[in-house]
Amino acid sequence: EVQLVESGGGLVKPGGSLRLSCVGSGFIFSDYSMNWVRQAPGKGLEWVSSISNGSSHIYYADSVRGRFIISRDNAKNSVDLQMNSLRAEDTAVYYCARGQFGQTDYWGQGTLVTVSS
Amino acid sequence: QSALTQPRSVSGSPGQSVTISCTGTSNDVGGYKYVSWYQQHPGKAPRLMIYDVNKRPSGVPDRFSGSKSGNTASLTISGLQAEDEADYYCCSYAATYRVFGGGTKVTVL
Repeated sequence: EVQLVESGGGLVKPGGSLRLSCVGSGFIFSDYSMNWVRQAPGKGLEWVSSISNGSSHIYYADSVRGRFIISRDNAKNSVDLQMNSLRAEDTAVYYCARGQFGQTDYWGQGTLVTVSS
Repeated sequence: QSALTQPRSVSGSPGQSVTISCTGTSNDVGGYKYVSWYQQHPGKAPRLMIYDVNKRPSGVPDRFSGSKSGNTASLTISGLQAEDEADYYCCSYAATYRVFGGGTKVTVL
């Protein structure tokens, strides 16, 4: 059974940093691109970042480029999102999702990030 | 990276059909075959319903179908059922980014 489990969410002050992690199981992690998608409270889905299976292709939404860094460790079946210079508008549930070309077939349960003083 | 345009809400009675549109540009929806649709119930993670414009993953009822014409993609739910009441999002590949629609709430009357 494919599973994606996110961790690392929490409360952080504006300007602060947080590192999210997602561990995959039940599939060959190194075969798949991975993605982070977020959803602000009461709002729609927003694509954040994608990383190819071998980390050679990395993409970011304009809203996070220069502040967030995506990375993966295929030996640990994990993908991370380092979030720096956090703003109130980054408050959201962050989902880890498997798939490429924007087509994600498995999603984690999400981890809540709250940016507030 | 502008969001794709979806109607905020659509509704239908059980057994009826509803169609949700998703309008983008030639840089996203119109330029690639990688349009996907997601269903999201309150408090739950999204579920993939359609990929590659019109393909259904295993387990998705054939009541759900997708299509595309030019810069607009569409999701049709035929034979609407109570459990179809949810939010639906389209998503398109756009080379260096991916973009979601704003979401459509489907209400079963």
